Amino acid sequence: TQLLEQSPQFLSIQEGENLTVYCNSSSVFSSLQWYRQEPGEGPVLLVTVVTGGEVKKLKRLTFQFGDARKDSSLHITAAQTGDTGLYLCAGAGGSGGSNYKLTFGKGTLLTVNP
Amino acid sequence: GAGVSQTPSNKVTEKGKYVELRCDPISGHTALYWYRQSLGQGPEFLIYFQGTGAADDSGLPNDRFFAVRPEGSVSTLKIQRTERGDSAVYLCASSPLVQGEQFFGPGTRLTVL
Repeated sequence: TQLLEQSPQFLSIQEGENLTVYCNSSSVFSSLQWYRQEPGEGPVLLVTVVTGGEVKKLKRLTFQFGDARKDSSLHITAAQTGDTGLYLCAGAGGSGGSNYKLTFGKGTLLTVNP
Repeated sequence: GAGVSQTPSNKVTEKGKYVELRCDPISGHTALYWYRQSLGQGPEFLIYFQGTGAADDSGLPNDRFFAVRPEGSVSTLKIQRTERGDSAVYLCASSPLVQGEQFFGPGTRLTVL
């Protein structure tokens, strides 16, 4: 069974603070995706990382894929209240499996307080 | 353009009843996926369609669950003899390519009393 462990499970911070959330697995994935999900909505893709060691930036968000393609992190700089949501990581192609079948972690529920 | 739509948005049913959940994918998307998201969990893969055929139904939990996509567009997830443990948000996603970005709908929240 391929598992993606996300930490922390819950995070509550003040606006303007920085934060990092983690996604770890014992399996190697061909790619890893980060999503944000808001209440009553489906997940929305933020980024896909493919190459070990890859770093991608999306405005104040920085995503990193581990060298061994087993783990990833999401760093948010100067968090805003609009960043509040459930952050999910999902791996594709783990242990030689199909690239269309996403394995999701449980997510990190981020609350940014004004 | 329009995104993935799902109906109904909420469904409350009694244990033992039959339910159908509908998904309208983005026009032109050939791949369609169903996921189930239980409270406090991430989405869990159920089934994948490429065109009209179910290419991978390995995530369906048991034979009470069935899904169809007869014309390669709209899909219906059918659950027979519902159980309380089936309560969850059922998400549908579509993508233009088999390994392309998956676009998710808002989900159907199913509650089995």
